[in-house]
Amino acid sequence: EVQLVQSGAEVKKPGESLKISCKGSGYSFTSYWIDWVRQMPGKGLEWMGIIYPGDSDTRYSPSFQGQVTISVDKSINTAYLQWNSLEASDTAMYYCARRTVVQSPAFHFWGQGTMVTVSS
Amino acid sequence: QSALTQPRAVSGSPGQSVTISCTGTASDVGGYNYVSWYQQHPGKAPKLMIYDVTKRPSGVPDRFSGSKSGNTASLTISGLQAEDETDYYCCSYAGTYNVIFGGGTKVTVL
Repeated sequence: EVQLVQSGAEVKKPGESLKISCKGSGYSFTSYWIDWVRQMPGKGLEWMGIIYPGDSDTRYSPSFQGQVTISVDKSINTAYLQWNSLEASDTAMYYCARRTVVQSPAFHFWGQGTMVTVSS
Repeated sequence: QSALTQPRAVSGSPGQSVTISCTGTASDVGGYNYVSWYQQHPGKAPKLMIYDVTKRPSGVPDRFSGSKSGNTASLTISGLQAEDETDYYCCSYAGTYNVIFGGGTKVTVL
């Protein structure tokens, strides 16, 4: 069974750093792209970026370039989303999702989401 | 990149059909046959309902169908049921690995 399991909810202060994770299982982790998607409270879905665990090829949405870092540790089948200095506006639910074909945004599998709250 | 344009809300009575539109540009919806649709219940992760414009994943009822004409894609829910009441998002490939979502549509079953 394909599963993406994300790390738990986080509460942070502005200026702090954070790294959340997405662990894949039940499939060849290095053969499928992993995307990250943001959903701010009460708002819609926003695509943040993508990584290919096989070779760590990473691309970002222009809206998120320079704001976050996407990485992967294929030895433990885990992708990461990282912030160096959080802002209140980073408060959101973050989802990872598996993309099969890079040209097709068909995310058949999603993580359960990680809620990040940034507040002083 | 601006979000794809969806109506904020649509509604229909049980058994009726509703259609949600998703308008983009020639650089996204109009340029590729790679549009997907997601259903999201409150507090849950999105669920894939349609991909590659018209394809339905296994397990998704055939009441859900997708189409595209020019820069506008559409999701039609036929035989509307109470359990269909929730949010729906379209999503399109936009070139060079990029993906763009619509703003979301709330479906209400009257």
